[in-house]
Amino acid sequence: DQQVKQNSPSLSVQEGRISILNCDYTNSMFDYFLWYKKYPAEGPTFLISISSIKDKNEDGRFTVFLNKSAKHLSLHIVPSQPGDSAVYFCAAPRGNTPLVFGKGTRLSVIA
Amino acid sequence: DTAVSQTPKYLVTQMGNDKSIKCEQNLGHDTMYWYKQDSKKFLKIMFSYNNKELIINETVPNRFSPKSPDKAHLNLHINSLELGDSAVYFCASSQGSDNEQFFGPGTRLTVL
Repeated sequence: DQQVKQNSPSLSVQEGRISILNCDYTNSMFDYFLWYKKYPAEGPTFLISISSIKDKNEDGRFTVFLNKSAKHLSLHIVPSQPGDSAVYFCAAPRGNTPLVFGKGTRLSVIA
Repeated sequence: DTAVSQTPKYLVTQMGNDKSIKCEQNLGHDTMYWYKQDSKKFLKIMFSYNNKELIINETVPNRFSPKSPDKAHLNLHINSLELGDSAVYFCASSQGSDNEQFFGPGTRLTVL
């Protein structure tokens, strides 16, 4: 039961351009979403979040957009940097159960 | 000064053995978690635990058991290891209902 889906396993972007990572969800009860970034051999680190009362949250180069009617959110990174190369996970809390994660999208930023 | 640490980082063992993975957090958090990242890259919650309540994902076999000697530690014990237990296991912690979780570096378990 994949309640959080990241359908693109990988994405390659040129340095300086925009990276757009997508996430879809099926549970309309989700009201809070998080993005985590994971480097190889390390645990995921929190990146940015958004509440369902907003449609956009911005933090420096990172912006998350939420489209509730489409049950879709996206993470924009601009400008992309080689250090952004990592796996990005979309996640949502579900009631009393801790986070439900998507499969992740591997971003490669090419210099 | 690691916030959430796990030992060992790599664990290779035979089927049928019993093993433990340790987790410690120095953040003063009151809630700790164990996740399994399977071969399909899904991160699935196994347990969440605070000093009041243990929440178990019902799909986790009872061969897996968390043990918390104190608030800063949540160890994972696995009995009668099976091939399908091979995965990376992540420990995490958070403060109360704050959903920002801090993760450990992961333990790669390989069952032969």
